[in-house]
Amino acid sequence: DIQMTQSPSSLSASVGDRVTITCRASQGIGNYLAWFQQKPGKAPKSLIYGASSLQSGVPSKFSGSGSGTDFTLTIRSLQPEDIGTYYCQQYNYYPLTFGGGTKVEIK
Amino acid sequence: EVHLVESGGGLVQPGGSLRLSCAASGFTFSGYEMIWVRQAPGKGLEWLSYISSTDNTIYYADSVKGRFTISRDNAENSLFLQMNSLRSDDTGVYYCARGYEASYWGQGTLVIVSS
Repeated sequence: DIQMTQSPSSLSASVGDRVTITCRASQGIGNYLAWFQQKPGKAPKSLIYGASSLQSGVPSKFSGSGSGTDFTLTIRSLQPEDIGTYYCQQYNYYPLTFGGGTKVEIK
Repeated sequence: EVHLVESGGGLVQPGGSLRLSCAASGFTFSGYEMIWVRQAPGKGLEWLSYISSTDNTIYYADSVKGRFTISRDNAENSLFLQMNSLRSDDTGVYYCARGYEASYWGQGTLVIVSS
């Protein structure tokens, strides 16, 4: 199975900060990588697919990059509504696997 | 607008069964693969099962293989998950999502396995 390792597991940043979350796959997955945002008590929401393509309706403050084994999600200018947990997921191989999540808080 | 609504969750005793449903609207359901994902209380996301658009390809996570069965009815725009031999570690919120890249999610349905 492909292991997806996210870092950090949590972070606290100030409003307006640029935030970066990384996701590493245990083997190459091409660009078959998605990012999700989950706000407390809510269902996950797709942000990015294909490692860098923005899902329809998602603000351009979110961006993704990477290919192969190393990927990054960047939130430009963190706002209070961005708090929650962010997950990466590889969909190149079955079983599909998710990262452990990164909890984002406001400092 | 894409809309996915899960139902069928509830409290069940260990060893029991439940059948979850996911009603889809706002897109051509028969043209998309679908998946089930669950989230144990306070934990991360776990993929459970995949079904192709014409249900000729199905995959399961090892944790549910042999106990859970995914199916779909394209005429009714519905996805199902039959869950048998339920265990306490099956407790969690169950989500259906569109596509292997999970571009849209339902709101989830809570399953509690407890005596």
